[in-house]
Amino acid sequence: GPKVLQIPSHQIIDMGQMVTLNCDPVSNHLYFYWYKQILGQQMEFLVNFYNGKVMEKSKLFKDQFSVERPDGSYFTLKIQPTALEDSAVYFCASSSGDQNTLYFGAGTRLSVL
Amino acid sequence: AQKVTQTQTSISVVEKTTVTMDCVYETRDSSYFLFWYKQTASGEIVFLIRQDSYKKENATVGHYSLNFQKPKSSIGLIITATQIEDSAVYFCAMREGGNNNRIFFGDGTQLVVKP
Repeated sequence: GPKVLQIPSHQIIDMGQMVTLNCDPVSNHLYFYWYKQILGQQMEFLVNFYNGKVMEKSKLFKDQFSVERPDGSYFTLKIQPTALEDSAVYFCASSSGDQNTLYFGAGTRLSVL
Repeated sequence: AQKVTQTQTSISVVEKTTVTMDCVYETRDSSYFLFWYKQTASGEIVFLIRQDSYKKENATVGHYSLNFQKPKSSIGLIITATQIEDSAVYFCAMREGGNNNRIFFGDGTQLVVKP
């Protein structure tokens, strides 16, 4: 199926530092998402993004979080500053339409020390 | 209230048998979309199959099929002729119609397929 690429696969960072997670969505997709998963548990929605704007965000999407996709490049999730509770696997997803299937990347495991 | 509920935490079956995983959902929308994904041991999340609420016929893809019971807000996943490599965590998910296009996931069901 369609592939979403996430870079890096694992990131270790000290608490308080900034981190940027990168996502290369499926080429013709227009809607982008970030989900957070802790220890193989439930997938929790963070944010979705369309046409250069945040469409919707959850309570988990704290003020320290931001997303952007400058000029059709990577769709990024930035956390500044990071906190211990941000340790999780972050999954990027994309879809071609607002009623279409989401395709997920392999995730970035973020470890905040 | 949880939008998508999977009550089975873990299921163990012998290979080549059929397994059904349950999922119920909650929505007030008349139009919505239901999905099943599996998460492999490596963590990869793979899309399996979807059911659009307006379609009466149950979706089928390969050895995956759905048991869509709209009056019961239920969307069960059926895997026939299970294989060892079907062992994974299976997530049910729902996307509502309208402008809200996030999808809600259930807690997942761990499937173990034994020889």
